[in-house]
Amino acid sequence: NAGVTQTPKFRVLKTGQSMTLLCAQDMNHEYMYWYRQDPGMGLRLIHYSVGEGTTAKGEVPDGYNVSRLKKQNFLLGLESAAPSQTSVYFCASSARHRGDQETQYFGPGTRLLVL
Amino acid sequence: AQSVAQPEDQVNVAEGNPLTVKCTYSVSGNPYLFWYVQYPNRGLQFLLKYITGDNLVKGSYGFEAEFNKSQTSFHLKKPSALVSDSALYFCAYHTGGFKTIFGAGTRLFVKA
Repeated sequence: NAGVTQTPKFRVLKTGQSMTLLCAQDMNHEYMYWYRQDPGMGLRLIHYSVGEGTTAKGEVPDGYNVSRLKKQNFLLGLESAAPSQTSVYFCASSARHRGDQETQYFGPGTRLLVL
Repeated sequence: AQSVAQPEDQVNVAEGNPLTVKCTYSVSGNPYLFWYVQYPNRGLQFLLKYITGDNLVKGSYGFEAEFNKSQTSFHLKKPSALVSDSALYFCAYHTGGFKTIFGAGTRLFVKA
């Protein structure tokens, strides 16, 4: 049982390049989330998904797109990377049963540097 | 506006001494409050949560937190700190609508 995994662990991009971050969970969770973590700001929600085939915008969605084609995977895409997207990205998942009472389980993070 | 505040960027404590990491909240509705810990180069890990019932919540690694409705606080405590407790701690409020509000984090340093 690996929990939540993320690939890659680290990536350097040039401004304007694109990339996809992959998140996978093996806990059969319905809900999945993408966050970014910046110094002194805690975590901010980018996008989330409440089930296969559904996604929704979070607090800071601009410049990102997501897809949830399979229940266990949640992809975060950057179409045209900007230096402001330099951050650490965390994926998380949670069960549906008790909604916002449920604990979120986090992946190890992807460190992204945009030059 | 709903918010979670961690008033201290950093807390320093000697090993063996009690520790407190502070959190205050301003939320509407039921306060589902959580504490998460982040070790270097790792994701956040769940420590404990308050949903309802007993105001004193016990969690992992000997941590506990007290929900205080009148003071709108949810401080994290441990009776005797360990060097291995050194990490970044986040207080969070899980709202309805799948939005979690995180505090900015408090870095705990435990000195041997």
